Amino acid sequence: NAGVTQTPKFRVLKTGQSMTLLCAQDMNHEYMYWYRQDPGMGLRLIHYSVGEGTTAKGEVPDGYNVSRLKKQNFLLGLESAAPSQTSVYFCASSYGVSSYNEQFFGPGTRLTVL
Amino acid sequence: AQKVTQAQTEISVVEKEDVTLDCVYETRDTTYYLFWYKQPPSGELVFLIRRNSFDEQNEISGRYSWNFQKSTSSFNFTITASQVVDSAVYFCAPLGGAGSYQLTFGKGTKLSVIP
Repeated sequence: NAGVTQTPKFRVLKTGQSMTLLCAQDMNHEYMYWYRQDPGMGLRLIHYSVGEGTTAKGEVPDGYNVSRLKKQNFLLGLESAAPSQTSVYFCASSYGVSSYNEQFFGPGTRLTVL
Repeated sequence: AQKVTQAQTEISVVEKEDVTLDCVYETRDTTYYLFWYKQPPSGELVFLIRRNSFDEQNEISGRYSWNFQKSTSSFNFTITASQVVDSAVYFCAPLGGAGSYQLTFGKGTKLSVIP
C-alpha cells in the first residue's frame, strides 16, 4: 500500500496564479484533511472531509477550496495565490466512524508563492 | 477555548541521556484524546501514540513512555537512552470532545540528540 500520497512535492507560483494539490489514499479511509505548516508552528487545519461528497472548514480556510468527488481523493485548490500561502501542505486521512482514530499523513507539498 | 502548550521550544541532550517532553492541554471537555507525532528532518509526520482522557495509566513502549495527569492537564513523553535517530520535532496534538475532527497541534519541541 502506498498510504497517503501528495502531488506535486514542490511548486513555485506567482502571485495571482491558481493551482490544485492532489491527495490520494489507498486505505479506504472515510476522513481526509488538509493542513498547512509554517515555520515554528504546528500544523493548522484548512479543510476536512468526513466522507465522499462532503467538506467542511477548519481553522484557516480563507483562500482555499476543496473537493472530495471520490472517496480516495481530496483536492485542495488555490484560486489566486498570495505570498501568505507560502507553506508546507500536508494531507492526512483517518479510518472509521469514530474521530479518535489516528491520522496518517502524506509526505507534504512545499509551495512557494512569489 | 482549548489551548495546547509545548513550553520547550528546543532541547539538546547527549546520546543515551533520558529526555522528557512536556505538553499541557487546557480544555473544558471532559472526554478527549491526545496524540503525539514525530517529524524527523526528512519532514514526514509519524504517529507515535494515542491516549484518552479517562486513562491515566502510564504507558511504555520500548524506549518511549507516556505519563498523563488529568488533574494538571499534562501529557508528558519520555525517551529513555536517547539515540541520534530520535532527533526530530515532536508534536502534541489533542483532539477535542465528541464529534470533533480537528487535531490541535502544539508548536512542537525540537529535540537534538548529540552523539
